Amino acid sequence: NAGVTQTPKFQVLKTGQSMTLQCAQDMNHEYMSWYRQDPGMGLRLIHYSVGAGITDQGEVPNGYNVSRSTTEDFPLRLLSAAPSQTSVYFCASASPRDRGGETQYFGPGTRLLVL
Amino acid sequence: ILNVEQSPQSLHVQEGDSTNFTCSFPSSNFYALHWYRWETAKSPEALFVMTLNGDEKKKGRISATLNTKEGYSYLYIKGSQPEDSATYLCAFRGGSQGNLIFGKGTKLSVKP
Repeated sequence: NAGVTQTPKFQVLKTGQSMTLQCAQDMNHEYMSWYRQDPGMGLRLIHYSVGAGITDQGEVPNGYNVSRSTTEDFPLRLLSAAPSQTSVYFCASASPRDRGGETQYFGPGTRLLVL
Repeated sequence: ILNVEQSPQSLHVQEGDSTNFTCSFPSSNFYALHWYRWETAKSPEALFVMTLNGDEKKKGRISATLNTKEGYSYLYIKGSQPEDSATYLCAFRGGSQGNLIFGKGTKLSVKP
């Protein structure tokens, strides 16, 4: 299993450009999520999905869109990039185990710089 | 707003020292507490998921305890090794439908 994969690893954008961060998992996990990591902050949830066709907002959703057309893929779209979106983005997936304690599996991250 | 606090922010120890750090979380509506290990330039990896008050989990030299009534969890590392150097994250889940709320982490550096 490849686990959780993310592309690209690194991206530079100009303000106002749009792009899609790709995330895929091959573990048949129903739950997928996107986080951003900024210096001095914990991982903050952007959007999440509990299954194909179902998405919801997390703590910091503004400026981002998601869709979940398949179980495997959960792309994150930046509609009009802003310098405040410079961050490291992590995708994660999870499947319920034991008594409600599902372990999240993280992708390798995408480092985004918006100029 | 749910708050998850970790202390200390950073910790420097010598190889062979034992150490511990704390995660504080809301004591109401507890569902699960996660610990992750995050090495530089890698992605977070799960250490433990704890769901019951009084839970104790162990993986090698690393162990964790959980007190849901007072809202804290301790992570212990016995005989620290340089390869233990990483940021240790805890994350709280409140309710079965709640999302994980992460703390800012404790950065551990172990000197040989």
